[in-house]
Amino acid sequence: GQNIDQPTEMTATEGAIVQINCTYQTSGFNGLFWYQQHAGEAPTFLSYNVLDGLEEKGRFSSFLSRSKGYSYLLLKELQMKDSASYLCAVITDSWGKFQFGAGTQVVVTP
Amino acid sequence: GAVVSQHPSRVICKSGTSVKIECRSLDFQATTMFWYRQFPKQSLMLMATSNEGSKATYEQGVEKDKFLINHASLTLSTLTVTSAHPEDSSFYICSAPKEVGSGDPTDTQYFGPGTRLTVL
Repeated sequence: GQNIDQPTEMTATEGAIVQINCTYQTSGFNGLFWYQQHAGEAPTFLSYNVLDGLEEKGRFSSFLSRSKGYSYLLLKELQMKDSASYLCAVITDSWGKFQFGAGTQVVVTP
Repeated sequence: GAVVSQHPSRVICKSGTSVKIECRSLDFQATTMFWYRQFPKQSLMLMATSNEGSKATYEQGVEKDKFLINHASLTLSTLTVTSAHPEDSSFYICSAPKEVGSGDPTDTQYFGPGTRLTVL
């Protein structure tokens, strides 16, 4: 079966750094994505990793270790607008067919 | 601007009625679209893959006779929830793969804005 695990909720202070971990066990692997989702809205693309290592995009970075089935999303210089759910998703076979984790609700406090 | 639209954005219906949700690709053709369902505070669960001109492929546990999918053209897929019940109340989202060469190559999907279904 497919299994993608991430913490349910994390709280951090404005300006701080938060790291959201994701572990996965899937029958196939064609890439790992991170999405941001505000309540009642569609997910917004943040990052994509298919090779091991770190990808940096502004305040957001994502890391992948395929041998460990592990990824993390790093959010730096947290802003209040970063309060949202962050979804880890793996493409397991055909392009576009995602398996999503349950999402991590990040709460940013003043 | 939005490249995948959904209609309606919100719908409230009585138990036992059927509801149709449309997913349209704007200015591009989508031979494949995906339908997801999301319950409150849960993740997106893939329901089915919609294929233009052929039958949809349903994920395990999804009743194909209850969730009818029709992909009649290269820009439109519809999801009909038949004989809806309160447990079908959820957020339904569609997505379509991006065209090769458009925008960020690592962002592979256009997601629709979602449809909030409430069954009374």
